[in-house]
Amino acid sequence: NAGVTQTPKFRVLKTGQSMTLLCAQDMNHEYMYWYRQDPGMGLRLIHYSVGEGTTAKGEVPDGYNVSRLKKQNFLLGLESAAPSQTSVYFCASSPTGWTGELFFGEGSRLTVL
Amino acid sequence: EDQVTQSPEALRLQEGESSSLNCSYTVSGLRGLFWYRQDPGKGPEFLFTLYSAGEEKEKERLKATLTKKESFLHITAPKPEDSATYLCALTTDSWGKLQFGAGTQVVVTP
Repeated sequence: NAGVTQTPKFRVLKTGQSMTLLCAQDMNHEYMYWYRQDPGMGLRLIHYSVGEGTTAKGEVPDGYNVSRLKKQNFLLGLESAAPSQTSVYFCASSPTGWTGELFFGEGSRLTVL
Repeated sequence: EDQVTQSPEALRLQEGESSSLNCSYTVSGLRGLFWYRQDPGKGPEFLFTLYSAGEEKEKERLKATLTKKESFLHITAPKPEDSATYLCALTTDSWGKLQFGAGTQVVVTP
């Protein structure tokens, strides 16, 4: 049982380049989330989705876009990468929105030069 | 503004030396407080949910408690495999939008 899978695991970009991070879950969860984790700052919510075809902004959405065309996939896009977007990105999913039990992927480390 | 503050930032324990981690919060309308464990290079792993003051949850050597202003994660007789970063998070809604603290890094030496 794979759970939550993120690709790629590592990526180096130059300023201004674009890329997409893919998150796939095989647990049939309705809710999916993208967080970023920076040293000393904890995880911060970028965007989230409460079901197929829905997306909403989190705490730090600027510079990112998301799509949830299929229930099992949640894509995070960077249209024009900036050094401030250097971070570790985590995708998570949950069957409900109120238990607080999120299932996280192993993370994608992005470096923007 | 909602805030979640964890202390200490780092904790070094001898095997068997019990201790507590603190998570203090200022928020309106707490719907739930959660504890996660994160190993290096991995995503966080869910441990506990606490919904109301006075509630306690236990799992092996870990026990989480909640008051109106803070939560504690007690580690009893820790073992080296308990070494990890422990994250506290809370939510004020039913959409699962969690606000995380910066974490406490725990190292348990044999």
